[in-house]
Amino acid sequence: QKEVEQDPGPLSVPEGAIVSLNCTYSNSAFQYFMWYRQYSRKGPELLMYTYSSGNKEDGRFTAQVDKSSKYISLFIRDSQPSDSATYLCAMSTNTGFQKLVFGTGTRLLVSP
Amino acid sequence: GAVVSQHPSWVICKSGTSVKIECRSLDFQATTMFWYRQFPKQSLMLMATSNEGSKATYEQGVEKDKFLINHASLTLSTLTVTSAHPEDSSFYICSARDSMGSDTQYFGPGTRLTVL
Repeated sequence: QKEVEQDPGPLSVPEGAIVSLNCTYSNSAFQYFMWYRQYSRKGPELLMYTYSSGNKEDGRFTAQVDKSSKYISLFIRDSQPSDSATYLCAMSTNTGFQKLVFGTGTRLLVSP
Repeated sequence: GAVVSQHPSWVICKSGTSVKIECRSLDFQATTMFWYRQFPKQSLMLMATSNEGSKATYEQGVEKDKFLINHASLTLSTLTVTSAHPEDSSFYICSARDSMGSDTQYFGPGTRLTVL
């Protein structure tokens, strides 16, 4: 079993839709949770990071962490074609973003 | 914002040759840099952690003699793939940790290596 599970998609939605991306994990020691966006043949770009359980909002993006269920989510409101990319969740057991463990990424396609 | 560059962005080499990839933090100092490998439709896999002025720490299953890492300054780390083989063809991505700022890992744009 992988430490971090993520549906690879693709997930296709129309422009303006609310997108829900999710990851599950097995290691209860994970404390830091991140979401990265990766365009084709580019490096990942940090979108959101949260510590422990709870919600965090930044513009159209909301990250949720439920440690009791070992489940994290990223919501994208009013999705745009420019949001089309692969979204990777990542987790770490310690501070300083050390030794990130990534999910496989979910490919998102937003059609105009 | 924090910018990390990689050079080259893509390289094609013959089997048996060595290839060096550079990773630079352009506007911040990075005492720690990380090297990842990403195969098509797979996740990023951490290969090694590079600390300035000391030996790199390799993940289990990564050959330290094949993937040579040098972190000679606070803004530069290099990965050398020695005696490359076709199975080493992959997307290599570095990241740099901004230890003086937000303590976040910033990723480079990646290097596509193709070994013929």
